[in-house]
Amino acid sequence: GESVGLHLPTLSVQEGDNSIINCAYSNSASDYFIWYKQESGKGPQFIIDIRSNMDKRQGQRVTVLLNKTVKHLSLQIAATQPGDSAVYFCAENSLIWGKLQFGAGTQVVVTP
Amino acid sequence: EAQVTQNPRYLITVTGKKLTVTCSQNMNHEYMSWYRQDPGLGLRQIYYSMNVEVTDKGDVPEGYKVSRKEKRNFPLILESPSPNQTSLYFCASDGRSSGNTIYFGEGSWLTVV
Repeated sequence: GESVGLHLPTLSVQEGDNSIINCAYSNSASDYFIWYKQESGKGPQFIIDIRSNMDKRQGQRVTVLLNKTVKHLSLQIAATQPGDSAVYFCAENSLIWGKLQFGAGTQVVVTP
Repeated sequence: EAQVTQNPRYLITVTGKKLTVTCSQNMNHEYMSWYRQDPGLGLRQIYYSMNVEVTDKGDVPEGYKVSRKEKRNFPLILESPSPNQTSLYFCASDGRSSGNTIYFGEGSWLTVV
């Protein structure tokens, strides 16, 4: 989920389990949402996106769910692997050009 | 392969010494932007550009300049860097007009002493 302050929320997941990362977005006018993965020392890496006319989209091992009623976004990672350890950000935007609004991020730690 | 390339990746500089961080994308995107990432503050937009010769301020533009003379390049200029500009900088290229997404560079670590 989201956090304020300096410390990211941390999700500890056992290898092989499914992960669910949550995000509350702020702007009801946002119509495009992206999940990014950021490993230490690297740039945000695109995982999956979803437009507001959808409520679910699946990729390889990942699923994004969008609930516009409560302005909530989630990322599900199936069969979490050690390489999934990273900080995950949700970002919202309008399809009209504008800046991405990022969530604070969630640290995912995969334990053996 | 879609690429956003930033240089330098790491730089330590002194207060007041002008520097430029370059950004180049190979996807012919019109929209590019610069972000800085700081602990506890997340990613914040500095400047963006909607096309060649069209730039505008983001949330934290003070102390920065940009230019967009050609579509592929969007350099970030710090005319007189100060220690509060020590940060991790990311360039982003937006391909949604062509059915793609928003791609980020690998980041540039800047330290101003």
